[in-house]
Amino acid sequence: DIVMTQSPSSLAVSAGETVTINCKSSQSLLYSGNQKNYLAWYQQKPGQSPKLLIYWASTRQSGVPDRFIGSGSGTDFTLTISSVQAEDLAIYYCQQYYDTDTFGAGTKLELK
Amino acid sequence: QVTLKESGPGMLQPSQTLSLTCTFSGTSLSTSNMGLSWLRQPSGKGLEWLASIWNNDNYYNPSLRSRLTISKETSKNQVLLKFTSMEPADTATYYCAYTVVGAFDYWGQGVMVTVSS
Repeated sequence: DIVMTQSPSSLAVSAGETVTINCKSSQSLLYSGNQKNYLAWYQQKPGQSPKLLIYWASTRQSGVPDRFIGSGSGTDFTLTISSVQAEDLAIYYCQQYYDTDTFGAGTKLELK
Repeated sequence: QVTLKESGPGMLQPSQTLSLTCTFSGTSLSTSNMGLSWLRQPSGKGLEWLASIWNNDNYYNPSLRSRLTISKETSKNQVLLKFTSMEPADTATYYCAYTVVGAFDYWGQGVMVTVSS
């Protein structure tokens, strides 16, 4: 299985700050046939199901605010949230769908 | 807009078989290049993919493959999951999810399943 390692596991922020969440895969998620990275990011708020934010490492799902930015390629990926708002407090997961789907352990975004 | 809703027994005893149903709307199992999947999440823990059905092909998490069966009832817009030999460690919220772009685009609200004697 491809192992997904997220860091940090938790992050305390103030509203308006920019935060960065990292995700590293144990093998490359870049498929040479289409030059796409098979990496997604999800947001899960308490008591809710996960919500897809980003797919193909950097494509925002319809309706997702443009303050959510996905970047990276190969084995190293980043989710950047600019100007964090209170509604962004949640757990964020990365997921690879290059091979048997696996998820990172999650990053909990909390209010400072 | 695709919507999904999971249903299941809520509680069962160890060694029993879990049967879950995902009822969806806004799409059809006869649509090409779309998939429906089951995932689970123990309380306070991370996400684990269990199984997917794409067109007429089924895919399973290798570590759980021997215990899982995914199937579909196209006319009812339903995807079913059977999970045998349930044990307390299988206690979790079970989700159904829909895939069109490769990731899990839409998720159901989830159904909590508790395994306890």
